[in-house]
Amino acid sequence: DIQMTQSPSSLSASVGDRVTITCRASQTISTSLNWYQQKPGKAPKLLVYAASTLQGGVPSRFRGSGSGTDFTLTISSLQPEDFATYYCQQSYSFGGGTKVEMK
Amino acid sequence: EVQLVQSGAEVKKPGESLTISCRVSGYNFATNWIAWVRQRPGKGLEWMGIIFPTDSDTQYRPSFQGHVTISADKSTSTAYLQWSSLRASDTAMYYCARLQLDELDSWGQGTLVTVSS
Repeated sequence: DIQMTQSPSSLSASVGDRVTITCRASQTISTSLNWYQQKPGKAPKLLVYAASTLQGGVPSRFRGSGSGTDFTLTISSLQPEDFATYYCQQSYSFGGGTKVEMK
Repeated sequence: EVQLVQSGAEVKKPGESLTISCRVSGYNFATNWIAWVRQRPGKGLEWMGIIFPTDSDTQYRPSFQGHVTISADKSTSTAYLQWSSLRASDTAMYYCARLQLDELDSWGQGTLVTVSS
């Protein structure tokens, strides 16, 4: 089984901040890495697939990067609607999640 | 528009059986795998298993194998998640989602299952 490790598990940030979330795979996975956003009481929403391709309708302030074992989700300028929990996923493994909270 | 609509919340007792559903519309149900994902209260996402509706080929994560059954009915474009004997530890939100190549691109709204004596 490939294990996905996200960091940090939570972070505090302000509107306008640049936010970076990392995800590390226990073995190389090329670019087979997806990112989801989940708001309280809602289903997850696909943000980025294949490591760096933005899902349709997702704002361009979201950016995914990386390959091999190390991946990053960057929000260039945090907006009020971006406070949520973010998960990475590779095949049938999810990362533990990163909760982005308001500072 | 792709839609996955799940059945409503359930409250059950330990040992009882349960089937929840996920009705799909907006695309050809037979052409994509459907995944089921568990989320326990306050916890992260767990991949349970997937089914390919065309031939009902099913793959389970080891931790769920033998405890749940995933099925699909092409005639009604509906996927199902079934338990024959619920446990308190099955209390969770359950999501179905459409699997594209490797990503889950459309999700149901979730079904909350509460198991309590």
